[in-house]
Amino acid sequence: DAGITQSPRHKVTETGTPVTLRCHQTENHRYMYWYRQDPGHGLRLIHYSYGVKDTDKGEVSDGYSVSRSKTEDFLLTLESATSSQTSVYFCAINNPPGGTDTQYFGPGTRLTVL
Amino acid sequence: DQQVKQNSPSLSVQEGRISILNCDYTNSMFDYFLWYKKYPAEGPTFLISISSIKDKNEDGRFTVFLNKSAKHLSLHIVPSQPGDSAVYFCARQGGSEKLVFGKGMKLTVNP
Repeated sequence: DAGITQSPRHKVTETGTPVTLRCHQTENHRYMYWYRQDPGHGLRLIHYSYGVKDTDKGEVSDGYSVSRSKTEDFLLTLESATSSQTSVYFCAINNPPGGTDTQYFGPGTRLTVL
Repeated sequence: DQQVKQNSPSLSVQEGRISILNCDYTNSMFDYFLWYKKYPAEGPTFLISISSIKDKNEDGRFTVFLNKSAKHLSLHIVPSQPGDSAVYFCARQGGSEKLVFGKGMKLTVNP
């Protein structure tokens, strides 16, 4: 298994509070991704990073920001959490170029916004 | 505009029989199609992929077929085992390092 950890694994917070989720990898992969999984929607890309300090938006980036100051860490921040951001969040990594774009996923963080 | 569609939310099969999971896509400019499997409370895991220049790729009990004229992708699992019970996502990749996933299909293999 790829060395990917996510913290926290579970979090309950209140509407309007800031929340930061952390993804840590030990694979030295260049690319890192944040997804959310919701019933009826599958996996949707929030933001991704293609290198230290290099990030870009995904399909559902509104209300989220990211930072990557080190190769191994990719942080997802909800500046002011809303109930619509209740979801399961997955981090993924890969190391292109060439070949199948196989992404390896972390175990997920279940976030509940009350 | 969902570019990868899994139109059936669930499938139930008997152990030992074939499971066929389907996926349709709406844009032909893709390099690869991939299948991921997800168990509850775990992250998705890569299962098998196929290049857009191929029609078939096989790995043990898992075979993926690509019908480019019909813009259709299918995953065959033979024989199905109870441990295959999971949610399966198809995904496409093309032109960038991003994947677009379908909504997923829950497969239940009954003993």
